[in-house]
Order: sequence, then structure tokens, then C-alpha cells
Amino acid sequence: AQKVTQAQTEISVVEKEDVTLDCVYETRDTTYYLFWYKQPPSGELVFLIRRNSFDEQNEISGRYSWNFQKSTSSFNFTITASQVVDSAVYFCALSELYGNKLVFGAGTILRVKS
Amino acid sequence: ETGVTQTPRHLVMGMTNKKSLKCEQHLGHNAMYWYKQSAKKPLELMFVYNFKEQTENNSVPSRFSPECPNSSHLFLHLHTLQPEDSALYLCASSQDEERGRYNEQFFGPGTRLTVL
Repeated sequence: AQKVTQAQTEISVVEKEDVTLDCVYETRDTTYYLFWYKQPPSGELVFLIRRNSFDEQNEISGRYSWNFQKSTSSFNFTITASQVVDSAVYFCALSELYGNKLVFGAGTILRVKS
Repeated sequence: ETGVTQTPRHLVMGMTNKKSLKCEQHLGHNAMYWYKQSAKKPLELMFVYNFKEQTENNSVPSRFSPECPNSSHLFLHLHTLQPEDSALYLCASSQDEERGRYNEQFFGPGTRLTVL
């Protein structure tokens, strides 16, 4: 069975601080996809990234970076120089490579204070 | 309209009412989904439609009835709901890239449902 664990229920930081959101996953599949989504107060889940299990290269997009480590089954998300607009709930998710069922973690509430 | 839209955004209903939630995707995708997000549980997949055919029913009670008349529209018909069904209902869509490999799911803003 697949499972995603986001151990951090809530994180509060002050603007401009860096923050890392943890994600640990379990799967018996050797190939799979990992995702991060952002859910602002408006409710809509916004897609941030999809990573194929074949590719363990870290990725950077502006202030966002992702660290995928297959050896520890982790896919952590770092926001550099956080801003108030980053305040949201962030979800990590997992799916099979062939298939469309997403398994979500419980989410981490990020509060960025000015 | 772009992306995935959902109506209504908010709905309050009694346990004996019948109502429907509507989802429309403008992305040309061929798969659509209903999710339930409640305060006490992670996002739960309810139903999946591929090419208008239901391919997944995640043990959802029969008081929830999905309908997918075409690849752009998805409905969730509600009847005799319980207060514990109060939640945010999210619709999503994605595209089957090739032989069962799907791209990422794009979500609508959700319908906040309150059952009295």
C-alpha cells in the first residue's frame, strides 16, 4: 500500500526566513511519481511539481527547491526567503507511474508572518 | 473560463434535500476526479472517470452519485446526506499521456458543503 507522511502539522516562520517542508513516502512500486501541491485560503490546489522516481536530481524553481532522496524515501520542499503570500497548506502526494490515483499526505500548514 | 471551474462555491443543505455539484474543465483533459477534503482526514479520492467511464469508486456511500456526460463535465449528485458529509469537495482533471501514464492533476476551487 502507498502512504505519504507529512510529520509537520504546522510551521510558523517570519518573512525572509527559509523553511523546509518534509515528506516521507512508502510504496512497493519501483517506479512512481511524487508531487507537491499548494492550497491557499481560496481552496484550490495549485500544482507545484511532479518528479519521476527515475530522476533523483534536485530541482530549483525561483525561491522553491525540492530534494528527492530515494534512499530515505523523502521528497522535501524548501522555500527560500519566505513571503507572506507563501502562507498556505502544502500537500505532498504519490502516484503509480502507470495510473492516476493520487495518495496525499495530511498536509503542512505554513504561516509566514511579516 | 480557464482551468477547472466548480459551482456552486458554497452550499448549505438539509439532510432530506437533493442537490448537485458541477465541475467543468477547459483543459481538454480526458480524466476527471472527485475528492473530499474534511477537517479530520487527508484528501480522499471518491470517483475517477476516464473517457467518461467510471473507473474508480473508492467505497463511497450511495448517497453520492457521480455523472460524467462528456469529458468536460462532471457532476456529483447528493441526496439524504449526513452532517458528517460536510466538507470541501474538489474536482480535478488530468490527461492520459500514453498507455496509462497521466500528467499532473489540475484542481478546481472546490465546493464548500454544509449539511444541517
